[in-house]
Amino acid sequence: DVKVTQSSRYLVKRTGEKVFLECVQDMDHENMFWYRQDPGLGLRLIYFSYDVKMKEKGDIPEGYSVSREKKERFSLILESASTNQTSMYLCASSFAISGNTIYFGEGSWLTVV
Amino acid sequence: TQLLEQSPQFLSIQEGENLTVYCNSSSVFSSLQWYRQEPGEGPVLLVTVVTGGEVKKLKRLTFQFGDARKDSSLHITAAQPGDTGLYLCAGVGGATNKLIFGTGTLLAVQP
Repeated sequence: DVKVTQSSRYLVKRTGEKVFLECVQDMDHENMFWYRQDPGLGLRLIYFSYDVKMKEKGDIPEGYSVSREKKERFSLILESASTNQTSMYLCASSFAISGNTIYFGEGSWLTVV
Repeated sequence: TQLLEQSPQFLSIQEGENLTVYCNSSSVFSSLQWYRQEPGEGPVLLVTVVTGGEVKKLKRLTFQFGDARKDSSLHITAAQPGDTGLYLCAGVGGATNKLIFGTGTLLAVQP
């Protein structure tokens, strides 16, 4: 079975803190994604990566950065967390950018106070 | 920006009832996927439809892609409490050819 693992399920951080969300996949997928999920807005793409050290902005990249130093690992970084970044963050991976099955992690609930 | 609107946003029904969830856009998609997300979990793919007018069945779930590939529907027959969850449609298309998610339909099936 494909496994996408997000290291932190629940985090509470203070405004201005630097936050790292880690994601690891075990299927040798080229493509990895970070989404945030908010009620009534569905899933919105923050960043994606189609190869090691490669990254592309999604629809809402402001306030976020990413790192992909190894194929299996994709990290989301909030340089200075703000309360409007309180959300559920979902990591995903796939063989292709689109059309193929995307496998999601269980999500990371981030609260910024 | 391509948008996928789902309706209804919330649905609470009794076990055994039928329901339909709609996913609509003004844009054309090359394919459309449906996901179900259970509480505390990430979304899981249910089906992908590719051809306009295509109908796919997954046990009590019937998925249809609109003829013009701008909309889709999910029909559940004799809903069960295990069907409870957030249903998300996602379309592939546009200049970026990326997956765009709908706004979601939260379904609660009461025993």
